[in-house]
Amino acid sequence: GAGVSQSPSNKVTEKGKDVELRCDPISGHTALYWYRQSLGQGLEFLIYFQGNSAPDKSGLPSDRFSAERTGGSVSTLTIQRTQQEDSAVYLCASTRNYGYTFGSGTRLTVV
Amino acid sequence: TQLLEQSPQFLSIQEGENLTVYCNSSSVFSSLQWYRQEPGEGPVLLVTVVTGGEVKKLKRLTFQFGDARKDSSLHITAAQPGDTGLYLCAGETNTGNQFYFGTGTSLTVIP
Repeated sequence: GAGVSQSPSNKVTEKGKDVELRCDPISGHTALYWYRQSLGQGLEFLIYFQGNSAPDKSGLPSDRFSAERTGGSVSTLTIQRTQQEDSAVYLCASTRNYGYTFGSGTRLTVV
Repeated sequence: TQLLEQSPQFLSIQEGENLTVYCNSSSVFSSLQWYRQEPGEGPVLLVTVVTGGEVKKLKRLTFQFGDARKDSSLHITAAQPGDTGLYLCAGETNTGNQFYFGTGTSLTVIP
């Protein structure tokens, strides 16, 4: 597609529920990143996919967080047993060379 | 620990004024990028600098990469209300797979 597409744009969930966030990157972009942005904060790295290589999961804050990238394209970020501190905007970005192209993000609110 | 510190954190100025935003670190970066983010959207890449001492101009915006590649500045001349947004710097190291984002500078230009 023309840009990075994320869905849903907003998600309100109850504490303890699982959520899935989707990212559809730009076609041909081999690298895909997930970042988290809390209110008034910079971006916190979560996970990185590059081609068929093993993902860099070093930024995932706990084992409740996981991500997959199927067929080198669409990625899903899953948060299990959500907590209130998981509330944030989750941003996906893809890149081929220099510079990320970001999606508009998913605003997650855990109540 | 934040790898990149931005200052000021908040800036409110009148239309037509000049301003400078700083991005500082004790680490050396192989490249550094500046992004602008508007509410409800993902960050949008403005520029990438890769050479120490490099200066790039984008209309009224001037970006400089420090000689030692540890810091950068963004100067805006004759600010316009359309410049309002969150400005983020992001640095790439030689060892990681990700860009490390600064804490952000929230700019408001008052008409």
